[in-house]
Amino acid sequence: DAGVIQSPRHEVTEMGQEVTLRCKPISGHDYLFWYRQTMMRGLELLIYFNNNVPIDDSGMPEDRFSAKMPNASFSTLKIQPSEPRDSAVYFCASSLAWLDEQYFGPGTRLTVT
Amino acid sequence: AQSVAQPEDQVNVAEGNPLTVKCTYSVSGNPYLFWYVQYPNRGLQFLLKYITGDNLVKGSYGFEAEFNKSQTSFHLKKPSALVSDSALYFCAVSPRDNYGQNFVFGPGTRLSVLP
Repeated sequence: DAGVIQSPRHEVTEMGQEVTLRCKPISGHDYLFWYRQTMMRGLELLIYFNNNVPIDDSGMPEDRFSAKMPNASFSTLKIQPSEPRDSAVYFCASSLAWLDEQYFGPGTRLTVT
Repeated sequence: AQSVAQPEDQVNVAEGNPLTVKCTYSVSGNPYLFWYVQYPNRGLQFLLKYITGDNLVKGSYGFEAEFNKSQTSFHLKKPSALVSDSALYFCAVSPRDNYGQNFVFGPGTRLSVLP
């Protein structure tokens, strides 16, 4: 398996623009997680899905953030409108079950100017 | 709510010496505990986990961790450090059920192994 795939790897956008981050989990994994990593706040869990259903989005910072998982092999994290404080590395991870190890993608480095 | 503390931002150790990266946790009930490692410009990689049973857990790349319930600790150890072990290490905790609580990662500890 190719592992968790994220695209794009780097995104530079201007404040106010819409940003869409994409993730393809490992085939057969039932859980998908979105994280944000910054120097100030460390690694934060934003939202996770079980069998394509959002279970907990309490980590999503604002209504500007939304996530979907239309099928078992694809998820998106959208920021609209983007702000400079959204600049971070966003990771997607997947796991077979709730307490199994998570496999992380390479991340998307987002810069909002 | 659960929490994870990694009291040291940075750990320096000479190559060949034993290393310890500390982690303490707070969670209601019995925890599942994890260690992950992050190399520069990469996602996190799983090292090991504690579920139940033997308090000493062995993982990837020669790492091991010891679960201490009375001290609520889960320190990561390796008998002989390698320069290639230099990376950012994260401890994480999860409750045994997935209702109302989520994975929580610690702030990370940067390990530098000096040649």
